[in-house]
Amino acid sequence: AQKVTQAQTEISVVEKEDVTLDCVYETRDTTYYLFWYKQPPSGELVFLIRRNSFDEQNEISGRYSWNFQKSTSSFNFTITASQVVDSAVYFCALSEFQMDSNYQLIWGAGTKLIIKP
Amino acid sequence: NAGVTQTPKFQVLKTGQSMTLQCAQDMNHEYMSWYRQDPGMGLRLIHYSVGAGITDQGEVPNGYNVSRSTTEDFPLRLLSAAPSQTSVYFCASGQRNTDTQYFGPGTRLTVL
Repeated sequence: AQKVTQAQTEISVVEKEDVTLDCVYETRDTTYYLFWYKQPPSGELVFLIRRNSFDEQNEISGRYSWNFQKSTSSFNFTITASQVVDSAVYFCALSEFQMDSNYQLIWGAGTKLIIKP
Repeated sequence: NAGVTQTPKFQVLKTGQSMTLQCAQDMNHEYMSWYRQDPGMGLRLIHYSVGAGITDQGEVPNGYNVSRSTTEDFPLRLLSAAPSQTSVYFCASGQRNTDTQYFGPGTRLTVL
């Protein structure tokens, strides 16, 4: 069965430190997508990145980077030089294509990231 | 372009009351869905729709009804509210057969 595990419930670091959020997934399919979403204290869900199962290239977007490793079923998220504005709950999610029902997202429980000034 | 909108933002109900949470999107997305978010858990899918007139159940559908009469709107009905339905509800939309979903701001519901 599909499953997403975010083992880190809460992480607290001091501003400017680098921090990595872990995500481990389980799926039987060869075609799937992985996502990261950010939920700031205001509550909305903000899409950060999508990665498909055939593309293992790491991605960097400013201070954010993602490391996808199929061999370990992991899709980790690193914030470099963290800032207070990065404080949020971060969710990792997995989707598998299901015929006639679109992609359905399976969510991890989230990691609460606290950046102290 | 407002994206996905949800009303109300907050709602308090008494056990047994009924209400409808509204969701609308102006991106002409075929796919729409409702999730609930409970403390310490990720989002769980309640119901979804792949187009007008088509709906289906997700992981936790009991106690909720949906309909999709137009592409834009996807209301969620609670027929007889229970305290276990206290949660934050998110509506999302996306293009059919794509994978990225965009979320509304959420509705915080408390059932006493």
